[in-house]
Amino acid sequence: DQQVKQNSPSLSVQEGRISILNCDYTNSMFDYFLWYKKYPAEGPTFLISISSIKDKNEDGRFTVFLNKSAKHLSLHIVPSQPGDSAVYFCAAIIYSGTYKYIFGTGTRLKVLA
Amino acid sequence: EAQVTQNPRYLITVTGKKLTVTCSQNMNHEYMSWYRQDPGLGLRQIYYSMNVEVTDKGDVPEGYKVSRKEKRNFPLILESPSPNQTSLYFCASSLERVGGGEKLFFGSGTQLSVL
Repeated sequence: DQQVKQNSPSLSVQEGRISILNCDYTNSMFDYFLWYKKYPAEGPTFLISISSIKDKNEDGRFTVFLNKSAKHLSLHIVPSQPGDSAVYFCAAIIYSGTYKYIFGTGTRLKVLA
Repeated sequence: EAQVTQNPRYLITVTGKKLTVTCSQNMNHEYMSWYRQDPGLGLRQIYYSMNVEVTDKGDVPEGYKVSRKEKRNFPLILESPSPNQTSLYFCASSLERVGGGEKLFFGSGTQLSVL
């Protein structure tokens, strides 16, 4: 049972345009959501997060939006750069005595120069 | 430099031959965890540890063991590897803070092939 879903395995965007990566979840008890970026032959690195009590968080070119009623999360990258080409994982944290990360399956973003 | 170090980066072994993948972090993190990444399945948690001598199963613990004798080290042990354990493995750590949404720091990964 995949509680965090990234339905688009891949996405191609022209340099300078907006990249929108989407994530859907099923558990309304998730406390935090995070996005990680992964380059080939490297471990994932943290990109941006959002608490479940907020609906938007921004950090430079990266903005995460949370729509709790739709159980939907999105990452916007504006403007997209070739160096943003990577696999992006959406993750959710649920805390109940101990905390647990649940990851999505990832979306491969390719930014075309 | 703050980091999570995994070794080895690549490992080819045969079915049934015990192996250990090491993981060490220098950030004094309490929480450590192992994940495996498989195509179409994302990152799945194998085991995690909230602190020294405290470990618990994740989503896919079968065929794996862990130990946490020191805060900085969290080795992953495959007592009798099988081909379905061929995967890319990541160790990760974070500060444990109640409800804090702490980010994970990942190692560079270990690509394991079991023949």
